[in-house]
Amino acid sequence: SAVISQKPSRDICQRGTSLTIQCQVDSQVTMMFWYRQQPGQSLTLIATANQGSEATYESGFVIDKFPISRPNLTFSTLTVSNMSPEDSSIYLCSVVGGGEAFFGQGTRLTVV
Amino acid sequence: AQSVTQLDSQVPVFEEAPVELRCNYSSSVSVYLFWYVQYPNQGLQLLLKYLSGSTLVKGINGFEAEFNKSQTSFHLRKPSVHISDTAEYFCAVSGVDNTDKLIFGTGTRLQVFP
Repeated sequence: SAVISQKPSRDICQRGTSLTIQCQVDSQVTMMFWYRQQPGQSLTLIATANQGSEATYESGFVIDKFPISRPNLTFSTLTVSNMSPEDSSIYLCSVVGGGEAFFGQGTRLTVV
Repeated sequence: AQSVTQLDSQVPVFEEAPVELRCNYSSSVSVYLFWYVQYPNQGLQLLLKYLSGSTLVKGINGFEAEFNKSQTSFHLRKPSVHISDTAEYFCAVSGVDNTDKLIFGTGTRLQVFP
């Protein structure tokens, strides 16, 4: 199993600003995944973060809006840039191992 | 690439009645399948998973699911629901490669009435 620490747990931000979310895993993992859950919606994969290379973004998500860092095998950050109210969501990081996905507790972001 | 379809966005049911939440998947490779539950304002909780072996998988809270490869389905069932089962249920799929991403369905809202 894996334990993921994600922070901040919640934040209220002004539109036009940026927020960086951090994710720390208690073991080394090849890939980390970032998801978004908009209010009343399912989880949508934003991107896959590999250590030592550019993140791979899903359709509809771009690096300029959601830059990701992956400096080592236990840590990753997701930045939500130039925020608008439409970015209000829960953002989660995840890792997989042993046929199971493990999730951080999520960051509840409200943009005002 | 994998995809998941949950045809029912909402399923209303009376307490103590049986329920089935449907999930179909699409994939060109072998898959792992999952059901997650999300109670209001809470995080995801794994209900059960299919990795290999027996196609009937039993999970927590009395839920079970059956993997049907020919019908590419992984429907979730419970013989008798409780009010406390009211929640959002997500089906998810991944390839069997240990680095594969998890793709979620759109979710089914189970509403249990007294």
